Amino acid sequence: QSALAQPRSVSGSPGQSVTISCTGTSGDVGGYNYVSWYQHHPGKAPKLLISEVYKRPSGVPDRFSGSKSGNRASLTITGLQAEDEADYYCCSYGGSDIFFVAFGGGTKLTVL
Amino acid sequence: QLQLQESGPGLVKPSETLSLSCTVSGGYISRSSYFWAWVRQPPGKALEWIGSMYQGGSAYYNPSLRSRVTISVDNSMNQFSLSLRSATAADTAIYFCARDDGYGSFDFWGQGKLVAV
Repeated sequence: QSALAQPRSVSGSPGQSVTISCTGTSGDVGGYNYVSWYQHHPGKAPKLLISEVYKRPSGVPDRFSGSKSGNRASLTITGLQAEDEADYYCCSYGGSDIFFVAFGGGTKLTVL
Repeated sequence: QLQLQESGPGLVKPSETLSLSCTVSGGYISRSSYFWAWVRQPPGKALEWIGSMYQGGSAYYNPSLRSRVTISVDNSMNQFSLSLRSATAADTAIYFCARDDGYGSFDFWGQGKLVAV
């Protein structure tokens, strides 16, 4: 079980859209619809943005959306705001032989 | 509103056991159908899942840590705990406790506890 692959950094200007990818394998991302996304401002607790590929918990703005195709999941943020600048992590369940949860390496979003 | 709070020593000597507790308020561990998890973040690195435990006793651990980790639940104290044996400098991290739906979706988190080894 390896960490999921994410770009180390992405950037965008206020109002623009960005997409963060998360690549796994058929044993995790591709095999289950249990991909979640987290926003993490350093020094604070991570915040759940998306669960089960595309589901937004109550209180999460609809500017955040999730999707998946094959072994790759994506988080799209539209209408970028300054407060969106943070680290973003994907996470996937992988239970083909043993229960396992893998996080991605994290993506630093910079709002220019 | 569910709240989680980590507690324990902030400094552990190498080869000793790193022990942390997570107190849950606003809900009961024993009455929930959720798992209770530990996640850590070494300095400058990514989040890493340590393990998750169901209140009924089933526990699952990251294979890379399985030989050294135990997660336990104390329903009477509404707490769950992490024990990481034979700690090394590589275990220095911020340790978070969280509620897990059983499939890696962590919806409530503690603020984190920095532990240095």
